[in-house]
Amino acid sequence: DQQVKQNSPSLSVQEGRISILNCDYTNSMFDYFLWYKKYPAEGPTFLISISSIKDKNEDGRFTVFLNKSAKHLSLHIVPSQPGDSAVYFCAASAWGSQGNLIFGKGTKLSVKP
Amino acid sequence: EAQVTQNPRYLITVTGKKLTVTCSQNMNHEYMSWYRQDPGLGLRQIYYSMNVEVTDKGDVPEGYKVSRKEKRNFPLILESPSPNQTSLYFCATLGEVGAFFGQGTRLTVV
Repeated sequence: DQQVKQNSPSLSVQEGRISILNCDYTNSMFDYFLWYKKYPAEGPTFLISISSIKDKNEDGRFTVFLNKSAKHLSLHIVPSQPGDSAVYFCAASAWGSQGNLIFGKGTKLSVKP
Repeated sequence: EAQVTQNPRYLITVTGKKLTVTCSQNMNHEYMSWYRQDPGLGLRQIYYSMNVEVTDKGDVPEGYKVSRKEKRNFPLILESPSPNQTSLYFCATLGEVGAFFGQGTRLTVV
C-alpha cells in the first residue's frame, strides 16, 4: 500500500509558465513533507519542505502548499526554466519515526524552451 | 563541505558473491538510510539507522544487511546477491531540514 502517491509520472510545461507537481498521502501521522529534485546520474537533492503546522512555504521560485484535510500537497515552480527539468520526488515522515522517510514514485518534469 | 560518499559508484558482480557498499558522512548526523531506485517504483527504503548500533528495516529489507558501528559509516551488505537486486542504490543522512544523498551506486548482478 503506497503511503505517498505521485499519480503523474510525467509533466511537460513551457518555459516561463507555472509547473504544478502533486502529491497525495494516506498516513495521517505524517507531519513533515519534503520535495527532492533528481537529475540523471546524481543523487536526489533537497528542494523545499513544509511541516504540518503550515499550509504554505515559499523559497524563491518554489512554493509548496499543504492541504491537511485532503492529505494533499503540491509544488509550484514559477516561472519554470529548462534547468528545472528533472525528476521530482515527494517525501513524508512522522517525527516520531524521523528515520523512516517515505518517498513517492516521482514525477518527471520537462520544461521546454 | 557537507558530503555523503558512497563506494563504489558502479559494480557488476555475479549471483551469490558477497559484496559491501560503503557509505560515509561528514555531517555528524544521527540518522542514515539506504534506498534503492527502480524504474516505476521510485525510491524505496531498505534500512535506516537512528543512531550507532540502532538499525531498523525499511520497506524492502529482504536480502540486505546493514551495520552502524560508528556514526559516520553505514555500510550496506548483500550476503548473497541475486539479479533482482540489480538497482541504483542511494545512501542518505537526515539533517534538520531534509535528507542529503550520496551520488549513488549502480549495481548489476548477473
